[in-house]
Amino acid sequence: DAKTTQPNSMESNEEEPVHLPCNHSTISGTDYIHWYRQLPSQGPEYVIHGLTSNVNNRMASLAIAEDRKSSTLILHRATLRDAAVYYCILRDHGTASKLTFGTGTRLQVTL
Amino acid sequence: NAGVTQTPKFRVLKTGQSMTLLCAQDMNHEYMYWYRQDPGMGLRLIHYSVGEGTTAKGEVPDGYNVSRLKKQNFLLGLESAAPSQTSVYFCASRPPGGSNTEAFFGQGTRLTVV
Repeated sequence: DAKTTQPNSMESNEEEPVHLPCNHSTISGTDYIHWYRQLPSQGPEYVIHGLTSNVNNRMASLAIAEDRKSSTLILHRATLRDAAVYYCILRDHGTASKLTFGTGTRLQVTL
Repeated sequence: NAGVTQTPKFRVLKTGQSMTLLCAQDMNHEYMYWYRQDPGMGLRLIHYSVGEGTTAKGEVPDGYNVSRLKKQNFLLGLESAAPSQTSVYFCASRPPGGSNTEAFFGQGTRLTVV
C-alpha cells in the first residue's frame, strides 16, 4: 500500500479554520484518499474521501493537489469537539480494500 | 440502528486463558475487519473477511483466529492470551464498492492480559 506522511500534531484556536496536510507522493491512479478521525476513547469515524476533485461534506472539505501527491483536510470552524487524531489513508481498489492506518495528526483545539 | 457493536467492552485475562471477542453489524455489510491499537500508535489489521464463510490474514495475525459463520458476526479468538496482546481491539465493516465506500467502526474492546 502507498504510504502517507502527516505532521505528528497541530494546534488550532476554536472557531478558526484548520488545514491538516497529508503527503502521498507514491499514490497510484486508482487510490482513493480517505480521512478518518478518532476522538478520545472511541473508534475511528469516517470524515471524507476523494479521488481527484475537491470534495465537501457537512463535516469538512478535502482539497486534492492537481498531481495528487498531497491533500489537505479543511475544518472550516474548529470546535473543541474536533480535538482528535486525524488519519489520512490511501485505499487501493483491491478486493478487500483495506484501511492501513499510520500514526495520524493529533489536533488540539483551544479556547 | 446500532451500527457496529463489540462485546465485551472491557476484559482482563490471565496469561494462557482464552477468550472470544464478538463483533456484530446490522448494516448487511459484506466486509468486516479486526484491528488492534497499541498506545500511541495507529490501528493495525489482524484479520479480515470479504464475506460469510471467508477469512484472511492481515498485518499482525499471529496468536489470533477468526470466524465468520454468519454475515452479521465476525468473531476474534485468542486461544492462549499473552501480555503482548494487551491492546484495544476495534472491529469495522463496510459495504461492497471497493475503495469508494466508508468503513464503520465499533467502540472498541479494551483487553488487558496479566
